Amino acid sequence: GDSVTQMEGPVTLSEEAFLTINCTYTATGYPSLFWYVQYPGEGLQLLLKATKADDKGSNKGFEATYRKETTSFHLEKGSVQVSDSAVYFCALSDAWGNRLAFGKGNQVVVIP
Amino acid sequence: GAVVSQHPSRVICKSGTSVKIECRSLDFQATTMFWYRQFPKQSLMLMATSNEGSKATYEQGVEKDKFLINHASLTLSTLTVTSAHPEDSSFYICSASGTSGGVDEQFFGPGTRLTVL
Repeated sequence: GDSVTQMEGPVTLSEEAFLTINCTYTATGYPSLFWYVQYPGEGLQLLLKATKADDKGSNKGFEATYRKETTSFHLEKGSVQVSDSAVYFCALSDAWGNRLAFGKGNQVVVIP
Repeated sequence: GAVVSQHPSRVICKSGTSVKIECRSLDFQATTMFWYRQFPKQSLMLMATSNEGSKATYEQGVEKDKFLINHASLTLSTLTVTSAHPEDSSFYICSASGTSGGVDEQFFGPGTRLTVL
């Protein structure tokens, strides 16, 4: 079935550093791809999405490009802030667009 | 944006008892609600999808008699874990979508931590 794989382990980096979180997927058909963010004590929030190959989703300085050839949707931000500390989840929708499959999530800690 | 609340945020119960978790959409009407379960350091696993006024659709491997879902109104869905056992201890998350029903219109609650002793 459809699945999402995120890189292992938490990510700790200094303020203004470059952030990359890897995400690859396995799916039948042409899923939409998403990144969700969960701040401490809050529910998951949609960060960005891409609905077809080569689309780039962007929001709050974060970007991810839907790469069909490598089945990837890596999340990047050029200069992180302490306020970006959160858990980031990669996800895809099923072919009918009404169910989500999530990766395990990555804890990101940004140190001042 | 749209707000979804869950209550309680944390519950501890004895083995064999039942626990009810509420999920409310506070400022929109949720035609569809989703219940997820998350184990430590694991991804969210969809348990069931419920549409207001109809029976929930459970994912393969999820016991419908164990996890009772009621979606009686457009703002409230409940998940009842019946005869809870320690292996049911987990983090339960709900999400709700409005009339558009699309996955990118899902709004998530903050989750409920269930511990069964």
